[in-house]
Amino acid sequence: AQRVTQPEKLLSVFKGAPVELKCNYSYSGSPELFWYVQYSRQRLQLLLRHISRESIKGFTADLNKGETSFHLKKPFAQEEDSAMYYCALSSQGGSEKLVFGKGTKLTVNP
Amino acid sequence: GAVVSQHPSWVICKSGTSVKIECRSLDFQATTMFWYRQFPKQSLMLMATSNEGSKATYEQGVEKDKFLINHASLTLSTLTVTSAHPEDSSFYICSARIVTNQPQHFGDGTRLSIL
Repeated sequence: AQRVTQPEKLLSVFKGAPVELKCNYSYSGSPELFWYVQYSRQRLQLLLRHISRESIKGFTADLNKGETSFHLKKPFAQEEDSAMYYCALSSQGGSEKLVFGKGTKLTVNP
Repeated sequence: GAVVSQHPSWVICKSGTSVKIECRSLDFQATTMFWYRQFPKQSLMLMATSNEGSKATYEQGVEKDKFLINHASLTLSTLTVTSAHPEDSSFYICSARIVTNQPQHFGDGTRLSIL
């Protein structure tokens, strides 16, 4: 069964500090991993997908198949990064059904 | 681009009534739309996958007769919660995808409260 685990419900850092939001997954096939972000009073939007290998808003995430992880990182957090972050998984090239983690609420303090 | 609109954003109704939620892709044609449900402080749970012109595929444990999904055009899918009860109160979110292997674009969600 597909499963996504985000161990931290809440994460609080100071502006300028590095931030890492953890995501671990369980899937027997080849997964496609995503990070979605939801800013206050806004809709869920795609932040990153692992196959794109790009950096969005300073965030990066590397798929580690050995550790079954897809942690989201940013070297210097900004206040505007405060939001709810969801890690999600789908089968690669399949039905693209998304399985979401429970989310991590990131707060960046001034 | 790739905007998904959901209507209504909030609805309150009496137990026993049916409620229809619309999901529209405003500037693209969506071959597939997805319906999710989110309980407070919980994650999004996929309810069903809807392809234009065909019957929706429901996830295990989701009642087809309770949650009617219609995807009659490439820009509109509807979710009807039939004979709603208080336990159906939740946040319902739709998403739409242009083609296979493209990311899903999400609507703002609909908060349903059944009294």
